[in-house]
Amino acid sequence: QSALTQPASVSGSPGQSITISCTGTSSDVGAYNYVSWYQQHPGKAPKVMIYDVSNRPSGVSNRFSGSKSGNTASLTISGLQAEDEADYYCISYTTSSTYVFGTGTKVTVL
Amino acid sequence: EVHLVESGGDLLQPGGSLRLSCGASGFTFSSYWVHWVRQTPGKGLVWVARIKGDERSMNYADSVKGRFTVSRDNAKNTVYLQMNSLRDEDTAVYYCARGAYHLYYLDNWGQGTLVTVSS
Repeated sequence: QSALTQPASVSGSPGQSITISCTGTSSDVGAYNYVSWYQQHPGKAPKVMIYDVSNRPSGVSNRFSGSKSGNTASLTISGLQAEDEADYYCISYTTSSTYVFGTGTKVTVL
Repeated sequence: EVHLVESGGDLLQPGGSLRLSCGASGFTFSSYWVHWVRQTPGKGLVWVARIKGDERSMNYADSVKGRFTVSRDNAKNTVYLQMNSLRDEDTAVYYCARGAYHLYYLDNWGQGTLVTVSS
């Protein structure tokens, strides 16, 4: 159960778009469309932003979108805003009926 | 409103045992999976375990299998995480989270409880 691989950091200017990748294997990301993404601000609990690869829960801004190709899922934040500065984690359901998180990505708004 | 509250975190020595609790309210508790996720201070999230609403199915991460046991008491709307043979690397904030109904993501989280394992 190795952690999914995410870039350690991604940055962008306000208004720009950024994309965070999440690379796994055929036993997790590639096996099902059960990848979700979480935003975590310092000292706070995580909040779901995307589920089932590309679905947004009610109340989440449409600036957040998700996709997947093979063993790699991606989260795109468009129209970057100061409030988007946070840590982001992907998580995937696996063929072992467990879950595995990504290594996490720190998003900085320049 | 869905509400999850963890409790039981403490400071203890390696080899010790501890039971965490996760109290829930605001939803039909017995219909939902509940997960435990941990986060070492300053590090990433790690999925630990989950238990099905009817208590008939549990799954564990390899790192805790055989040492941790997840259980629940639906009459008390509470999930437990029994942690035995604790190691330094088990030091973390432990979150409980509700699994979304018939879906594969965690839709509501508690605020976490800190477990520190140190000699």
